[in-house]
Amino acid sequence: RKEVEQDPGPFNVPEGATVAFNCTYSNSASQSFFWYRQDCRKEPKLLMSVYSSGNEDGRFTAQLNRASQYISLLIRDSKLSDSATYLCVVNRRGGTGGFKTIFGAGTRLFVKA
Amino acid sequence: NAGVTQTPKFRVLKTGQSMTLLCAQDMNHEYMYWYRQDPGMGLRLIHYSVGEGTTAKGEVPDGYNVSRLKKQNFLLGLESAAPSQTSVYFCASNFLATTSTDTQYFGPGTRLTVL
Repeated sequence: RKEVEQDPGPFNVPEGATVAFNCTYSNSASQSFFWYRQDCRKEPKLLMSVYSSGNEDGRFTAQLNRASQYISLLIRDSKLSDSATYLCVVNRRGGTGGFKTIFGAGTRLFVKA
Repeated sequence: NAGVTQTPKFRVLKTGQSMTLLCAQDMNHEYMYWYRQDPGMGLRLIHYSVGEGTTAKGEVPDGYNVSRLKKQNFLLGLESAAPSQTSVYFCASNFLATTSTDTQYFGPGTRLTVL
């Protein structure tokens, strides 16, 4: 079982739809959580951090449930430009005392006109 | 401020050939990483470095070597390329990773094909 698991996708949605991405993590020592976006043939880029209180950035809402070890990303009123792969990312303590970053495999989103 | 850059962007090798991928960052980051990304596998850590002169193995280090002679550069070497090393390679960096909220900045990637 992977340490960070995401919906395999892909998701195909029409413009204007609301789409939800789910992610679970298995290591209870995980401390920080993020969503990255990766466009086709490009590098991953930070989309937003995820806080226990939930956080919103325009049409994007991220939530964290530590008890269930579950992270979500909601995109409202989806646009064609939202088409990308969304990566769930977790930071936890590593063996050397620093932090390790674990990436989920990603969920591909296609938004259609 | 260029961020993280990688050279080359594309490369085709024959089995058994060697090559070096160069990563450079101008953000004074301590930590640097090399990942490979294959379809359905996500990003897998090859090697990483916590500072100039130091390197450590990641999840999939076999067949690769690295060096960090200067803080701003992190080199990934393939001594004898194999078709299984066909992949997209990403370099990343961040500040001293002692805070869990520190995020990584990625380079644009190198697409490598081994025939």
